[in-house]
This record gives sequence, C-alpha cells and structure tokens, in this order.
Amino acid sequence: AQSVSQHNHHVILSEAASLELGCNYSYGGTVNLFWYVQYPGQHLQLLLKYFSGDPLVKGIKGFEAEFIKSKFSFNLRKPSVQWSDTAEYFCAVPLVTGTASKLTFGTGTRLQVTL
Amino acid sequence: DGGITQSPKYLFRKEGQNVTLSCEQNLNHDAMYWYRQDPGQGLRLIYYSQIVNDFQKGDIAEGYSVSREKKESFPLTVTSAQKNPTAFYLCASSPVVRAGNYGYTFGSGTRLTVV
Repeated sequence: AQSVSQHNHHVILSEAASLELGCNYSYGGTVNLFWYVQYPGQHLQLLLKYFSGDPLVKGIKGFEAEFIKSKFSFNLRKPSVQWSDTAEYFCAVPLVTGTASKLTFGTGTRLQVTL
Repeated sequence: DGGITQSPKYLFRKEGQNVTLSCEQNLNHDAMYWYRQDPGQGLRLIYYSQIVNDFQKGDIAEGYSVSREKKESFPLTVTSAQKNPTAFYLCASSPVVRAGNYGYTFGSGTRLTVV
C-alpha cells in the first residue's frame, strides 16, 4: 500500500534561514504528490502539487518541492523563511482502492520560525 | 464564496454521550471525507463518501458513524463506543472520487473535548 513518511517532526528556524522538509513515499509507479499547510487556527490549504512533467514544482508563498523518483522523495523547500511561515506542514499521496482515491497524509512537520 | 463549513468550532462532550459534527459544502463536490487529527499522528481517515447514500469505512471507523443523505452534507457522529474521542476533526471534499488528481478542500475543523 502507498504510504508517506515525514521524518522531521518539529523544526525550529530563524527568520531568513533556508528550509527543507523531508517527504518520502512508498509507491513506485505513477504518483501524484501534495503538500498542505495548516497555519495556527486555520484550515488546511494546498501549498503545491505534483502530477507530472517538470519535477520542480512551485507553490504559493515562495515554496517549492522537487520530485525525485529515484529517491522516492518530494521534499519541500523555501530559500528564506518568514515568521509567518510558522505552521504545520503535511505531505500527502493518493491511495487508490477500487474506484476511490483517498489521500494518505504523513504525520506532519511543525515549523516554528523565530524572529 | 464556495467552501466547506464545519460546526461547531468547539464541542464538549460528557462521557457516554453521542455527539454529531456538522459538515456542509457548497462546492458541488461528489466526494466527502472525515479525518481525525492528533498531535504527532497526522490525519487519519475515519469515513468517506463517494456519492449520496453511500459511504465507506476508513482506517479508524470504530466508534464513529456517518450519513450522506444529501450531496452537500456529511455529518459525523462520535458515539460513546469511541474510547478516545478528544481530537480535532476535519471534513474535506473533492470534485470526483479520484481525489488523487485534484486534492481536497478542507473545512476549518471541530475540536472535540470529552469532559
């Protein structure tokens, strides 16, 4: 079964530092990948997604992620974080069973950006 | 604005009581989902529904029940059989059952606390 793992559970960075959050998935075939973000007190929202084509995907708020098939990875990056990036970040991959396709989420990474 | 509305935002339940969490969407999405979010465990799927009058168990359905009488509505009942109901509950929807191609839209969540 497809699964996704996030190894960084809690990351603390100073403003302007560079960010890379890890995401690894288990499925070896065609795969769609998502990153969601949950800001404090807000609902989850889509940060970026990969379906096919260019493995470097750009999302909102300066985030990007690179799909590396050989490493089964889809790490999230940002060159310079801001205090407002403090949030929880979730990687997700679809799990297909029959006609349904449901998203399986990683355990999340809590990012804390300090001033 | 189109979106998903979850109510109430906060809910307190006494042990032994059943409570129902509301989820309404005006996005005309076919598929709807309920997830439970606990610290360090990410999002875990409780139930999902691909079409009106049909729903399927997710990974942690025990102690929960749902109904899908209308396309717009997917209420979740947390029964007294759920041993550890204190959590943050998220409702989501997607345009088609193959959510892997579209991702989800999330509601703002309901925080349930057992007192």
